Amino acid sequence: DAGITQSPRHKVTETGTPVTLRCHQTENHRYMYWYRQDPGHGLRLIHYSYGVKDTDKGEVSDGYSVSRSKTEDFLLTLESATSSQTSVYFCAISGGQGETQYFGPGTRLLVL
Amino acid sequence: EDKVVQSPLSLVVHEGDTVTLNCSYEVTNFRSLLWYKQEKKAPTFLFMLTSSGIEKKSGRLSSILDKKELFSILNITATQTGDSAVYLCAVIVGGQVNDMRFGAGTRLTVKP
Repeated sequence: DAGITQSPRHKVTETGTPVTLRCHQTENHRYMYWYRQDPGHGLRLIHYSYGVKDTDKGEVSDGYSVSRSKTEDFLLTLESATSSQTSVYFCAISGGQGETQYFGPGTRLLVL
Repeated sequence: EDKVVQSPLSLVVHEGDTVTLNCSYEVTNFRSLLWYKQEKKAPTFLFMLTSSGIEKKSGRLSSILDKKELFSILNITATQTGDSAVYLCAVIVGGQVNDMRFGAGTRLTVKP
């Protein structure tokens, strides 16, 4: 398994509260990604990073921000969680452009 | 808008059957197509296809890409109950960083 961990693995929070999810890798890969997975939608890209402090938006970025201050860590923040952000969040990594992405174990988030 | 469509959405077979899963795509600047298997956790990588007509094989699984007709198939022969999972198709689209578009997945159930 690729060395990717996510924390927390499960979280329940209330609408309007801030939430930060962490992805940590030990592979020294340059690219990191955050996806959400919802029934009927498959996996959708939220944000990605192509290096320290280099990030960009994916197709469903509204309501989310990210930060990458170190190669190994990629943080996803929900500034003010909404019920529509209830989902399973996956982090992924890849070594370079066009290379296979490997996924972390996922974080299940419930916003009440 | 980029689209990746998988069919069927779900499939129930018996052990020993052969199944074919389909993935069609309409994307700008295609780079590669990937297949993942997802059980109750993170997607795990199966195949990456970049060139038309070249079959990739791994045990009982095989896959092929047709870049003219814009589709790929994933075949599983002599299915086993352990093949039960959601199979995800994803297309890497071009640009400066790899950006994947996922289909909604095919849920395969293999009954004993």
